[in-house]
Amino acid sequence: DVKVTQSSRYLVKRTGEKVFLECVQDMDHENMFWYRQDPGLGLRLIYFSYDVKMKEKGDIPEGYSVSREKKERFSLILESASTNQTSMYLCASSTQGLGNSPLHFGNGTRLTVT
Amino acid sequence: GQSLEQPSEVTAVEGAIVQINCTYQTSGFYGLSWYQQHDGGAPTFLSYNALDGLEETGRFSSFLSRSDSYGYLLLQELQMKDSASYFCAVMNTGFQKLVFGTGTRLLVSP
Repeated sequence: DVKVTQSSRYLVKRTGEKVFLECVQDMDHENMFWYRQDPGLGLRLIYFSYDVKMKEKGDIPEGYSVSREKKERFSLILESASTNQTSMYLCASSTQGLGNSPLHFGNGTRLTVT
Repeated sequence: GQSLEQPSEVTAVEGAIVQINCTYQTSGFYGLSWYQQHDGGAPTFLSYNALDGLEETGRFSSFLSRSDSYGYLLLQELQMKDSASYFCAVMNTGFQKLVFGTGTRLLVSP
């Protein structure tokens, strides 16, 4: 079974702090994604990566950056955390395919910025 | 841009059949996916439709009409464990990213 592991289940940070959210997958997937999930807004794509050192902006990249130095690891960085970044963050991975490659999600990191 | 619409909440009783609709607007449509998410859990993949018609997987079926930009998820013989949020998602012919709808919360009562 594919396993996508997010380093923290719950995280509390202060406004202005630099925050790192880590995600590791064990299935040699090419694609990795970061979404945030907020009530009533569904899942919104922040950034994705289709290869090592490659990254693409999603729909809401402002205030975030990412790093993919190794194939199995995809990090989301909040350069200066703000209260409006309080959210559930979900990492996912998939193989490169023709659209029918399902996303495999981690269990999420609930980030609170105070 | 892309947008998807689905009802925010649907209620049904055990044993019943429920249909969750999804309409979408996107350029370069490639396929429609459905995901299930239980409270506190991760979204999990249910189905994918790239062509018009019905795909059946056990109690769950998914339908797509490309000409109508419309799809639905059909859940039969509902069970309490089907209470969850269901998300439709579209993939366009751009990069391999999925754009999700806002989700439909299904409440199954005894």
